Amino acid sequence: DAGVIQSPRHEVTEMGQEVTLRCKPISGHDYLFWYRQTMMRGLELLIYFNNNVPIDDSGMPEDRFSAKMPNASFSTLKIQPSEPRDSAVYFCASRAGGSSYNSPLHFGNGTRLTVT
Amino acid sequence: DQQVKQNSPSLSVQEGRISILNCDYTNSMFDYFLWYKKYPAEGPTFLISISSIKDKNEDGRFTVFLNKSAKHLSLHIVPSQPGDSAVYFCAASRWGYGGSQGNLIFGKGTKLSVKP
Repeated sequence: DAGVIQSPRHEVTEMGQEVTLRCKPISGHDYLFWYRQTMMRGLELLIYFNNNVPIDDSGMPEDRFSAKMPNASFSTLKIQPSEPRDSAVYFCASRAGGSSYNSPLHFGNGTRLTVT
Repeated sequence: DQQVKQNSPSLSVQEGRISILNCDYTNSMFDYFLWYKKYPAEGPTFLISISSIKDKNEDGRFTVFLNKSAKHLSLHIVPSQPGDSAVYFCAASRWGYGGSQGNLIFGKGTKLSVKP
């Protein structure tokens, strides 16, 4: 089990550019979550998917943010256009569903985004 | 409005002594609580959990206590070891609430330093 894999680990970009963060969840996990960590707000849930379908995107800060899950093994979080206040560490996490209703989240190592 | 609060940003403990990390929550609908541990440049990893039907759960050196009337939980680490030095996040969820399906609300974390 390779765990949740995120890429890139670090991203530095200029304001106004498009940024795409990628995530490969653990095989067999039904749920995928995108979290953002900042000093001010801690770990915030942005959006989560169940069986590739977005269930709750109420945490997505604004229309500049979008997330997709085209299949069970891949998800993207896109920011277009990026702004300096988007600088944060973005975590992807997955967990099993079904009988493992409250099984814990497994997090990737995150993508540290810096927007200058 | 923070629903899960960790009021101590940091805690320093001597090796071999007990570490007590505290967490308060405001939403009485939360019924499942977890602690995650995070090392620098890594994602959070699951440590221990407790359901609201219990008031204590133990796993080796780690014990979580839940006081529902006070909306308070704590994590005890006995004995503390230098390798326990990390940021500890408290998290809460609502079992079976509509679409939440156990997505977690996190506190901002407490940085534990265990000194040799």
